[in-house]
Amino acid sequence: AQSVAQPEDQVNVAEGNPLTVKCTYSVSGNPYLFWYVQYPNRGLQFLLKYITGDNLVKGSYGFEAEFNKSQTSFHLKKPSALVSDSALYFCAVRDPNSGYSTLTFGKGTMLLVSP
Amino acid sequence: DTEVTQTPKHLVMGMTNKKSLKCEQHMGHRAMYWYKQKAKKPPELMFVYSYEKLSINESVPSRFSPECPNSSLLNLHLHALQPEDSALYLCASSQEWPGMYEQYFGPGTRLTVT
Repeated sequence: AQSVAQPEDQVNVAEGNPLTVKCTYSVSGNPYLFWYVQYPNRGLQFLLKYITGDNLVKGSYGFEAEFNKSQTSFHLKKPSALVSDSALYFCAVRDPNSGYSTLTFGKGTMLLVSP
Repeated sequence: DTEVTQTPKHLVMGMTNKKSLKCEQHMGHRAMYWYKQKAKKPPELMFVYSYEKLSINESVPSRFSPECPNSSLLNLHLHALQPEDSALYLCASSQEWPGMYEQYFGPGTRLTVT
């Protein structure tokens, strides 16, 4: 069975500093990986995905993520954080052998960016 | 356009009421989903429709009844709900072409059961 771990409940960073939100996964075969962001009282917004190819994936709002197969990680990064980046972030994985696009989500990491 | 719309935004209902949640997408996506989300928790999958047919039911109680009238619409019919069913209900859709597996979510319906 596939699983996703987000080891940090909360990440605090000052505006202008780089940020990293961690994600590790467990799945048989090559994974499909996703990052989503959720602002208060809103639905999830798709940020970026890794399916295959370049290990560094660029997404929306200046976010990027690095796929590391040996460490089974897919950490979300941004070079310079904004206060408006404060939100709940979910990492998700899809089993590539599944016939349906069912996602397994991590528990979520709250990102707080201070002015 | 990557928009999924949901109505209503908020819904308060008693335990004896019958109500419906609606979801719509015009992206030509082949799969549509219902999720339940509690505060600060990840979404929990309830149902998956693929090509307008129910393909996954994650052991959801029968007081929740999904319906897919056509490829763009998804309904969730609610009846005799319990207070613990209060949550944010999210609809999502995905293309399901090779490499196009990301799901796009609607803003959700905030349901309160009294």
